[in-house]
Amino acid sequence: GAVVSQHPSRVICKSGTSVKIECRSLDFQATTMFWYRQFPKQSLMLMATSNEGSKATYEQGVEKDKFLINHASLTLSTLTVTSAHPEDSSFYICSADNGVADEQFFGPGTRLTVL
Amino acid sequence: EDQVTQSPEALRLQEGESSSLNCSYTVSGLRGLFWYRQDPGKGPEFLFTLYSAGEEKEKERLKATLTKKESFLHITAPKPEDSATYLCAVQAWETSGSRLTFGEGTQLTVNP
Repeated sequence: GAVVSQHPSRVICKSGTSVKIECRSLDFQATTMFWYRQFPKQSLMLMATSNEGSKATYEQGVEKDKFLINHASLTLSTLTVTSAHPEDSSFYICSADNGVADEQFFGPGTRLTVL
Repeated sequence: EDQVTQSPEALRLQEGESSSLNCSYTVSGLRGLFWYRQDPGKGPEFLFTLYSAGEEKEKERLKATLTKKESFLHITAPKPEDSATYLCAVQAWETSGSRLTFGEGTQLTVNP
């Protein structure tokens, strides 16, 4: 149980385009989902916390207009990187809280490369 | 501000050579300390949650312990398949929901 999926697993896009990444909780309902970014050989940096049906809470220094988060249902959250630039290239990971014991279950990650 | 520091940054062991990874933390009120394993190009995989000083948990060759200032992940007789990055994270009572603050991780390599 407690499986989280992400789609796509890899994406390559041109500078200036937008990219959408989906995060789904497959076998549980997630009232809260989290989005992280991870640069090579670095740890996970929390970008934002999203709650179903409400606006996401962004961490300091994360541009909310650039990283659009939508948490439309209890099993789906999306992250849209708008007008992507090469410096946005990173590994994006989502996680979901199943509301039990405060555990977070992580997705497999999405590798974004912006040319 | 919650802080997590892991050491060493990297550790190379021979198969069967036991060792420990350290996670030092500063948090206003610890709600939980988490250990995750992360393989290259994949998301973190949950290992343990510890809630109070003195608590210990075991899983196969791994054993996690917790004090009021740090946690240790002991690896007994490691195998090459234990090679991964091990991440420590804390959850504070003051923060909302299950928000985690991660350390930088320890990259473990176990040579056959």
